[in-house]
Amino acid sequence: GAGVSQTPSNKVTEKGKYVELRCDPISGHTALYWYRQSLGQGPEFLIYFQGTGAADDSGLPNDRFFAVRPEGSVSTLKIQRTERGDSAVYLCASSLVAGSSGGNEQFFGPGTRLTVL
Amino acid sequence: AQTVTQSQPEMSVQEAETVTLSCTYDTSENNYYLFWYKQPPSRQMILVIRQEAYKQQNATENRFSVNFQKAAKSFSLKISDSQLGDTAMYFCAHRSGAGSYQLTFGKGTKLSVIP
Repeated sequence: GAGVSQTPSNKVTEKGKYVELRCDPISGHTALYWYRQSLGQGPEFLIYFQGTGAADDSGLPNDRFFAVRPEGSVSTLKIQRTERGDSAVYLCASSLVAGSSGGNEQFFGPGTRLTVL
Repeated sequence: AQTVTQSQPEMSVQEAETVTLSCTYDTSENNYYLFWYKQPPSRQMILVIRQEAYKQQNATENRFSVNFQKAAKSFSLKISDSQLGDTAMYFCAHRSGAGSYQLTFGKGTKLSVIP
């Protein structure tokens, strides 16, 4: 597709369950970012990939959160033992390159709204 | 760590009028980038305008322009000839010029354009 896509659009789960959120970046974009947007807040950084490797995971709140990007394209954000406080919109963004040169605009997907009951 | 502050939770403007959204930030860096993103109810974050800190000239994109005051660490967005389609949340964001390229966002301003 032309833009960043995320699936599912909405996910409702029960406390304690495991969830996976998927992000398909724009083709050819080497950098991929995950953000979390809680109600009434701006997005907060979670993790950033350059190719297949996580270059910066300093925003992951705890070890229940994990993300992978095994082939340098699609990424999956995984949350174990979900808690009600994990309820938020999870946004994915990609950019052509991650450097400070011209190709660094981040293009966002529509997000996945996660609700933990 | 960088912080971004948007002090106006909500604003409204009459159609065709001009409105200014405020943003201040805190950083110890000399080289960085600033952005304004628009988020309509569809949740899709759309880049409105960007400013490189090393450029003194204020960025302009059609009806959108910024007033970048580096010494004051201020980065306001001016929307001219407001249109109904401008109704959305607007987020100011900072990105470091080196190291991790994450965006740091403010809490946003909800803008309503009134017909």
